[in-house]
Amino acid sequence: KAGVTQTPRYLIKTRGQQVTLSCSPISGHRSVSWYQQTPGQGLQFLFEYFSETQRNKGNFPGRFSGRQFSNSRSEMNVSTLELGDSALYLCASSSPGAGGQTYEQYFGPGTRLTVT
Amino acid sequence: GQNIDQPTEMTATEGAIVQINCTYQTSGFNGLFWYQQHAGEAPTFLSYNVLDGLEEKGRFSSFLSRSKGYSYLLLKELQMKDSASYLCAGPDSNYQLIWGAGTKLIIKP
Repeated sequence: KAGVTQTPRYLIKTRGQQVTLSCSPISGHRSVSWYQQTPGQGLQFLFEYFSETQRNKGNFPGRFSGRQFSNSRSEMNVSTLELGDSALYLCASSSPGAGGQTYEQYFGPGTRLTVT
Repeated sequence: GQNIDQPTEMTATEGAIVQINCTYQTSGFNGLFWYQQHAGEAPTFLSYNVLDGLEEKGRFSSFLSRSKGYSYLLLKELQMKDSASYLCAGPDSNYQLIWGAGTKLIIKP
């Protein structure tokens, strides 16, 4: 089975621009979660999508948004970029049970975003 | 609410044993995960404990005590390649994983 893929792997943007990151989950996985990781901060949860619906949302401003398509691929968008948005953005897919139980998450390689 | 704590950094010697602790407060416990993350790479799954006790997987073992809100990851016969960050994570009442900040493990020859 192919793993989780993310594109692009590296991105350099300037303040005020917007960016869209893409994530393709493992085949059959319907849940996709997005995380921001910065040195010393650990993984900060952005949001989770399940069957095209946002199921959970972290504590990030509205500039961060996402969506999921019918094939479970997901995109994350950040508008009006700020210097502090420079980070590694990771997506993870999983196959939760019907009751929403948490299962192991499989991570993609991440997109390293640098905002100048 | 849920809060997960783990030490920021630990140092150990090649060939030795190290125990990385993780404590949590949760209002809706549903298991505890351990992940390994090498510098510049994505986290990879190590273990998942949902019942009390020790689970062993080769050189790595993970322990859970639900009554104490405590878990640890035990690494035996340390190798240089074990130098990485180790993350513990637990689901909140919405089954969303809450992550600790990670423990950076430095292995010295």
